[in-house]
Amino acid sequence: AQSVTQLGSHVSVSEGALVLLRCNYSSSVPPYLFWYVQYPNQGLQLLLKYTSAATLVKGINGFEAEFKKSETSFHLTKPSAHMSDAAEYFCAVSNDAGNMLTFGGGTRLMVKP
Amino acid sequence: EPEVTQTPSHQVTQMGQEVILRCVPISNHLYFYWYRQILGQKVEFLVSFYNNEISEKSEIFDDQFSVERPDGSNFTLKIRSTKLEDSAMYFCASSWGQGGYNEQFFGPGTRLTVL
Repeated sequence: AQSVTQLGSHVSVSEGALVLLRCNYSSSVPPYLFWYVQYPNQGLQLLLKYTSAATLVKGINGFEAEFKKSETSFHLTKPSAHMSDAAEYFCAVSNDAGNMLTFGGGTRLMVKP
Repeated sequence: EPEVTQTPSHQVTQMGQEVILRCVPISNHLYFYWYRQILGQKVEFLVSFYNNEISEKSEIFDDQFSVERPDGSNFTLKIRSTKLEDSAMYFCASSWGQGGYNEQFFGPGTRLTVL
């Protein structure tokens, strides 16, 4: 069975600072990993996904994530936070059949001016 | 850009009543999903649906829940007799293919409040 842990339910950074949102996973098969973002009153939007093609994955809005098998991690980073990045971020892992996502608890990112 | 839509955005119902949540997936997608998020908790998988059959379901998805694709465009989630603990945001999603690498596209959600 898959599981995802996101360390830090709330993260606060200053505008222009590095964003680091942590995700650790557990999976019995090679994982497919995803980061979704949820803006207020909106659905979940895919930021990026890891599908074993490359360990460093680039996504939309300047975000990227690095898959580290030895650490079972898939942390999300952005070099310079923007006010518009304030949202909730969810890490998720797919089962092997691809018909079910297991989500982490989410991390709310706040960006201070 | 095509998107998943859901109606209503907010539904209030009395305990014991039946509710139907509606979704219109992206038109060329073949796989459909429901998830829910109780306030302050994780997004949880409920069910996946393909070719008019349930392909996977969680233990949350008991006999009180059912899904249907009544026509070529809608995908519905029915809760037969709502409980207080069914209050949550319900998300519909769809994907073109299956397999862990396929992206699921999510709708904006329906907030269900059971009184």
